Amino acid sequence: NAGVMQNPRHLVRRRGQEARLRCSPMKGHSHVYWYRQLPEEGLKFMVYLQKENIIDESGMPKERFSAEFPKEGPSILRIQQVVRGDSAAYFCASSPPHSRTEAFFGQGTRLTVV
Amino acid sequence: SQQGEEDPQALSIQEGENATMNCSYKTSINNLQWYRQNSGRGLVHLILIRSNEREKHSGRLRVTLDTSKKSSSLLITASRAADTASYFCATDGTGGSQGNLIFGKGTKLSVKP
Repeated sequence: NAGVMQNPRHLVRRRGQEARLRCSPMKGHSHVYWYRQLPEEGLKFMVYLQKENIIDESGMPKERFSAEFPKEGPSILRIQQVVRGDSAAYFCASSPPHSRTEAFFGQGTRLTVV
Repeated sequence: SQQGEEDPQALSIQEGENATMNCSYKTSINNLQWYRQNSGRGLVHLILIRSNEREKHSGRLRVTLDTSKKSSSLLITASRAADTASYFCATDGTGGSQGNLIFGKGTKLSVKP
């Protein structure tokens, strides 16, 4: 049973480009969370999704950021027109339907905007 | 403001010593969790303690929770160089939305061989 898989592990984008980060939850998990971690900081919640539904996006910037978790395939965090301040590690976590408390994290995607 | 605040921010000890890290939080919680993060890596779940529990053990880890003081501590006994990492506490918050965790800034632990 593979853990939470994120790809790519490292992503470099020029200012103004789009970044797409993928997350495949653990098998049987129907809840996906995205977090952002700035250097020397803790993780900050961005968005919580279930299949085909955004449950809570209170931590997501209103512009340029979007997330989806389609019926088939991985969850995608999309950042349009990236700026230097978007450089961070983005972590995905998943949890089973019966225990939203227990979140398992992926290895993260490190986005660098140059 | 941060829900979870760990202290100290950094801790340096010798191998074999015990390491104690503290976490304070502000709102009511259902549970509190501790995670470890090695440099440049993802988070590893260490232990979860529920709001009705006061102490929990897992191997060399001991976690306490004092809901009256809204604080928790993580004790690592007989530390090893491999314990070098950042340690984060995370709370759910009973008033929070359905499952997202609130992290502190972490304690950076360095265990010298």
